Amino acid sequence: SYELTQPPSVSVSPGQTARITCSGDALPKKYAYWYQQKSGQAPVLVIYDDSKRPSGIPERFSGSSSGTMATLTISGAQVEDEADYYCYSTDSSGYQKVFGTGTKVTVL
Amino acid sequence: EVQLVESGGGLVQPGGSLRLSCAASGFTFSNYWMTWVRQAPGKGLEWVANIKPDGSEKYYVDSVRGRFTISRDNARNSVYLQLNSLRAEETAVYYCAREGPPPDYWGQGTLVTVSS
Repeated sequence: SYELTQPPSVSVSPGQTARITCSGDALPKKYAYWYQQKSGQAPVLVIYDDSKRPSGIPERFSGSSSGTMATLTISGAQVEDEADYYCYSTDSSGYQKVFGTGTKVTVL
Repeated sequence: EVQLVESGGGLVQPGGSLRLSCAASGFTFSNYWMTWVRQAPGKGLEWVANIKPDGSEKYYVDSVRGRFTISRDNARNSVYLQLNSLRAEETAVYYCAREGPPPDYWGQGTLVTVSS
């Protein structure tokens, strides 16, 4: 089955830049999406179509994709950005959806 | 305002069944794919199944195919997930979500506990 691989954790100081990677064989041809999930809450979409930001999402969140890797960047991370982050995409068929393994971001 | 409200979770024995429901409002339900996602305690998100707007196409993660069934009733603005032959490791919060795509609006989830 198709897998998307993320680092388990990323730590940054407030105001620094956090980068979270997502690796998958189908990413050269399929969009990546990114979700933020805070404890006890439903996920929130922060990036869609590799690099687009939904309305209401701060500009410090950005996305990119190159080859088999997609990246979520939080520029000038804030304490309120502490959360779990998941990438999401599809396999080459487009029918099987999959979430990445998840990355816990700590800002302290 | 888009709202999704799940119900039907609870405690069930291994091998048992449950039917989850998700009531949608605030958008034209019959225009959207709908998705179920689950999250075991302390674990990551897992996509479970989705269904086309007219119900003619359904897709499942390999681990549930043949045991879970997704369905919808566009007249009632609702999507359902029938869970059969449940296993202890399927204890999780089950979320329904609207597919933009991707899943863009989510409910708050319903907890399914599989235990004897």
